[in-house]
Amino acid sequence: TQLLEQSPQFLSIQEGENLTVYCNSSSVFSSLQWYRQEPGEGPVLLVTVVTGGEVKKLKRLTFQFGDARKDSSLHITAAQTGDTGLYLCAGAKNNDMRFGAGTRLTVKP
Amino acid sequence: SAVISQKPSRDICQRGTSLTIQCQVDSQVTMMFWYRQQPGQSLTLIATANQGSEATYESGFVIDKFPISRPNLTFSTLTVSNMSPEDSSIYLCSVERGGGGTEAFFGQGTRLTVV
Repeated sequence: TQLLEQSPQFLSIQEGENLTVYCNSSSVFSSLQWYRQEPGEGPVLLVTVVTGGEVKKLKRLTFQFGDARKDSSLHITAAQTGDTGLYLCAGAKNNDMRFGAGTRLTVKP
Repeated sequence: SAVISQKPSRDICQRGTSLTIQCQVDSQVTMMFWYRQQPGQSLTLIATANQGSEATYESGFVIDKFPISRPNLTFSTLTVSNMSPEDSSIYLCSVERGGGGTEAFFGQGTRLTVV
């Protein structure tokens, strides 16, 4: 059983569209991270959210941490082909970090 | 952040042989982590490597199959022993930093194919 559930598992969209991916858990986390992984590379940290209800923006990416610190969402506006990759959320709790199964995003030109 | 160099980046190995993967960090860290990422899947923690003590293995992973060395605070190795095709995977080393939350930084991974 996955501690962190990510949805959707796969997402294929056209360039210019908007999308949201979700990361849900029954556990409370002290912080939550989002990573993007491209083929042949390790995951790269995008953002860390720490406070319940927190919203962070990184150019076209908007990250939100749920009020109860159990869930998070990543919204991408006007997706570009360069956004293609595997998006992973990870929750930190008691010095332990666990990863979700990931959302594999494909942005078609 | 942290810069992590991992090698080899990929290898094709015969079943029954062993492969040692090296991970070098640009600064001293207490713990280093080894993950496995099977095709199309997320990351599974294999073990945590502390300098000066034996590695701590997660459920389903054992030292005989995945021996780990941690000779100093900037370097670690993971060996995949007596390989079978089921060991074909990406292996990643990682370090964690505080930075307002626990943040992980990864090497580029080692893509292992066992034939």
